Amino acid sequence: EAQVTQNPRYLITVTGKKLTVTCSQNMNHEYMSWYRQDPGLGLRQIYYSMNVEVTDKGDVPEGYKVSRKEKRNFPLILESPSPNQTSLYFCATSTVPHYGYTFGSGTRLTVV
Amino acid sequence: ELKVEQNPLFLSMQEGKNYTIYCNYSTTSDRLYWYRQDPGKSLESLFVLLSNGAVKQEGRLMASLDTKARLSTLHITAAVHDLSATYFCAVADNNAGNMLTFGGGTRLMVKP
Repeated sequence: EAQVTQNPRYLITVTGKKLTVTCSQNMNHEYMSWYRQDPGLGLRQIYYSMNVEVTDKGDVPEGYKVSRKEKRNFPLILESPSPNQTSLYFCATSTVPHYGYTFGSGTRLTVV
Repeated sequence: ELKVEQNPLFLSMQEGKNYTIYCNYSTTSDRLYWYRQDPGKSLESLFVLLSNGAVKQEGRLMASLDTKARLSTLHITAAVHDLSATYFCAVADNNAGNMLTFGGGTRLMVKP
């Protein structure tokens, strides 16, 4: 079954404690992306990757890191999380050129 | 830079009524997507519109695309409570490898 798998689904952490949210896809998609969703602000892109070892900033990259060492995985790293990074995070994947995105099930992160 | 604007942002309607959600975008595009999101859930693909004049229908929802007017509509016919959700349009940017830019979303509440 074609899918995008995010882990964890829910996470509560404390300010400053490094964390990683994983995203894995089995569709051989070249493009992977991270979004955050906040009430009233819609979906905002954090980082994206067009292929292995190719990553670029989206609209709100501050405080986040990513890596793309393998085609199927695109982890989102928060080196020192802060409360303003409390949000619902989605990983999305696509072929290139893009024919619509497939979204993961989301990660609800709370930073206290 | 491609901008995508949805109207209205919030819609409360009675069951059985009809209504239309509008999605305007700022630059040339020939590909538009509609997604549905239930609270706390991921985004589910509803429609893919790939050409001017395209019309797709699924149940009580019908989507259309006018690339000359840079406008897509999502029409709801005889709304039912199960259609309550947030609806997003997303437009492929022809000048950015067809990456998607999302509208702000329309939160639909259908009252019995």
